[in-house]
Amino acid sequence: DTAVSQTPKYLVTQMGNDKSIKCEQNLGHDTMYWYKQDSKKFLKIMFSYNNKELIINETVPNRFSPKSPDKAHLNLHINSLELGDSAVYFCASSQVVMDSGMTDTQYFGPGTRLTVL
Amino acid sequence: AQKVTQAQTEISVVEKEDVTLDCVYETRDTTYYLFWYKQPPSGELVFLIRRNSFDEQNEISGRYSWNFQKSTSSFNFTITASQVVDSAVYFCALSTHSGAGSYQLTFGKGTKLSVIP
Repeated sequence: DTAVSQTPKYLVTQMGNDKSIKCEQNLGHDTMYWYKQDSKKFLKIMFSYNNKELIINETVPNRFSPKSPDKAHLNLHINSLELGDSAVYFCASSQVVMDSGMTDTQYFGPGTRLTVL
Repeated sequence: AQKVTQAQTEISVVEKEDVTLDCVYETRDTTYYLFWYKQPPSGELVFLIRRNSFDEQNEISGRYSWNFQKSTSSFNFTITASQVVDSAVYFCALSTHSGAGSYQLTFGKGTKLSVIP
């Protein structure tokens, strides 16, 4: 069984369109993340959700909006796509032990390669 | 601010050679976690190891070993008797608390390892 899954794996679209990427985890984790990997392979966090609540919102254009319907899902919606949005987007999840200073490993989905034409 | 430096952008070795991938980190936190991830040509991110800041014991897992030295803020990764399947981009990452149950991963820029048969 896949632990963290993303759909679609590839997404090719025109500038100006709106698109969504879905992420689901079956690990029972309470924290989920979105990362962007650019053409130079640099990975940077975009968002983090803990128990459906937004925790981290890095400097990301407000055209990007994460939505978490429940603990197991974190979807990424992108409005008015631009050429510069072309990248690989990774979803990840982890379990955080509150107030203990402990963190578990972040496990990543397979990635979604977004190409904006 | 957190920072991870992987000074080696690309390394090529001949099969069966040993290779060490360097990682230097910066953080003001006293509690933090260090990770290595592997990204093979297929694109997924594979977790390799996690160490916390209080545990400086070196670790060996088969042909892989890790050397954590707090005094030099380094967490180096050695592959012994490299194989073609080791060819991948390797990322070192630092995890620090971002508040409210979330830990943010800061990645290095990665080291691309090519193992030549």
